Amino acid sequence: ELKVEQNPLFLSMQEGKNYTIYCNYSTTSDRLYWYRQDPGKSLESLFVLLSNGAVKQEGRLMASLDTKARLSTLHITAAVHDLSATYFCAVEGNNDMRFGAGTRLTVKP
Amino acid sequence: DAGVIQSPRHEVTEMGQEVTLRCKPISGHDYLFWYRQTMMRGLELLIYFNNNVPIDDSGMPEDRFSAKMPNASFSTLKIQPSEPRDSAVYFCASSWGWDSALMIEGTQYFGPGTRLLVL
Repeated sequence: ELKVEQNPLFLSMQEGKNYTIYCNYSTTSDRLYWYRQDPGKSLESLFVLLSNGAVKQEGRLMASLDTKARLSTLHITAAVHDLSATYFCAVEGNNDMRFGAGTRLTVKP
Repeated sequence: DAGVIQSPRHEVTEMGQEVTLRCKPISGHDYLFWYRQTMMRGLELLIYFNNNVPIDDSGMPEDRFSAKMPNASFSTLKIQPSEPRDSAVYFCASSWGWDSALMIEGTQYFGPGTRLLVL
């Protein structure tokens, strides 16, 4: 059974600081997704990672994938308040899609 | 395009009643997904369709849940009879299938969700 572990679950950081969210998964994956969800809102797709070593960047967010380690990271650079949200990774494999529990990020001035 | 459209946005019903949630995917997308989000269980994939055909419904919690996609522009998720533990936000999402040759990554676009409360 595909399992996805995301950590930390809660992250409070100051503006301007860097931090990384981790997403580990248990079995071979076809694709890995990162999503953002604002409170009471829907999910917004951030990145789709398809292959080992894939790295994608958008603004202050950068995602990477290591399929051998079954690990993806979402790195936040010089955080700003607008990045406050819950971030989910999701792993697709064998006709299944499993989400991590989410990381609730709060960026404080 | 207006994005994925879901209706109703909110639904309050009593235990035992039938509930029907509706979804209109983005035009041209050939995959449609139904998800459920609760505090206790997080986000769960319930079922997904490819070209209107259900591919995997292993996430459907039990026989009280059923989903259909009669055509490329419409899908329903039905709960009959509903129970309080079905209270959740139900999301519909759609995407193109992944195609490396066409550089299509399969990004899913989510609808606004239906917030269901079963009393």
